[in-house]
Amino acid sequence: ETGVTQSPTHLIKTRGQQVTLRCSSQSGHNTVSWYQQALGQGPQFIFQYYREEENGRGNFPPRFSGLQFPNYSSELNVNALELDDSALYLCASSLNNALDNYGYTFGSGTRLTVV
Amino acid sequence: RKEVEQDPGPFNVPEGATVAFNCTYSNSASQSFFWYRQDCRKEPKLLMSVYSSGNEDGRFTAQLNRASQYISLLIRDSKLSDSATYLCVVNPPGAGGYNKLIFGAGTRLAVHP
Repeated sequence: ETGVTQSPTHLIKTRGQQVTLRCSSQSGHNTVSWYQQALGQGPQFIFQYYREEENGRGNFPPRFSGLQFPNYSSELNVNALELDDSALYLCASSLNNALDNYGYTFGSGTRLTVV
Repeated sequence: RKEVEQDPGPFNVPEGATVAFNCTYSNSASQSFFWYRQDCRKEPKLLMSVYSSGNEDGRFTAQLNRASQYISLLIRDSKLSDSATYLCVVNPPGAGGYNKLIFGAGTRLAVHP
């Protein structure tokens, strides 16, 4: 059974650019959640995709968007990058939007630096 | 008011010490509760779930007080390897029935020889 994998591991972008981050969900999982963790803060919920549809969103502007593919992998897209978008982006997968006693297992994350 | 609040620390303790972390949450309808551990520049990893009856896993004990909306984590006999940031995590009800986790900002623990 494979875990959650994210790519790339590190990325440097210039303010105003666009970025795409990728997440492969754990085998058998059809739900993917994305979180942003700024330095010194806890992760913050961005949005969740279930069966290729966004079914929940946190307090993030529309320039944060996502996709989920038929194989349940997912992308996070951020347009018009700002310096404050510099953070660790985490992905977690689950089955049927369920949160059991084991919480979520996160991928190792993508560290985005905007300069 | 933040949805989940923790003392940021850092807590600097010698090996063998007992240390306690506290956390409060604002949404009384929250369903599930967890403690995650995060090492520097790594992803958060589940340390333990927190149950109303309290639960223990080796040197770690978690307690939940729903009436006070308060969660605690006790670490006994601290080891150098316990040095990390401990995140208090709550699962509030989602408007659309989806599940999300709300994280506190974390409490840093540094265990020294």
